[in-house]
Amino acid sequence: RKEVEQDPGPFNVPEGATVAFNCTYSNSASQSFFWYRQDCRKEPKLLMSVYSSGNEDGRFTAQLNRASQYISLLIRDSKLSDSATYLCVVNGGSASKIIFGSGTRLSIRP
Amino acid sequence: DAEITQSPRHKITETGRQVTLACHQTWNHNNMFWYRQDLGHGLRLIHYSYGVQDTNKGEVSDGYSVSRSNTEDLPLTLESAASSQTSVYFCASSDGTSGEGNEQFFGPGTRLTVL
Repeated sequence: RKEVEQDPGPFNVPEGATVAFNCTYSNSASQSFFWYRQDCRKEPKLLMSVYSSGNEDGRFTAQLNRASQYISLLIRDSKLSDSATYLCVVNGGSASKIIFGSGTRLSIRP
Repeated sequence: DAEITQSPRHKITETGRQVTLACHQTWNHNNMFWYRQDLGHGLRLIHYSYGVQDTNKGEVSDGYSVSRSNTEDLPLTLESAASSQTSVYFCASSDGTSGEGNEQFFGPGTRLTVL
């Protein structure tokens, strides 16, 4: 089993739809969690950190479920510009324990 | 504005040659990282550094080396390039100590092809 697993997609949804991704992790001692966005042939950029209490940034909501060891990302009212690959990142507490998921590809159609 | 740059952006080399990829950051971050990204694997950690004169091996360090002589630079050297090292290489940096859960800022990447 991979340490961090994501559904690779692609998710192909119409503009305005709500879409959600999950990411599961195997290390129960993981301490911090992030979602990064990566556009085609570009570098990853931080989308949002994921806090235990959950957090929201505009149309984006991230949640953490420690008991079931997964994090989620919800995108509401999706825009064409949301088309990208979304990377889940789990940090076990040191640089050597930062694990990136393989990414979930999202495509928003008009 | 602070930034992190990589050079070259594209490189084609031959099997057996030594190759060095440059990474330079002006964030004044303690932590610097090198990753490779391949289809189906996501980003995998090659080497990382918590500060000047500190270097550590990551998950896929075989065939690679780094040195940290100053805060700004962490060059990655492929001792003897192999076709399996064809990949996209990303450098990243972050603030804080020991690479704990802080945002990583990535460079634009270097596409390396080994023929």
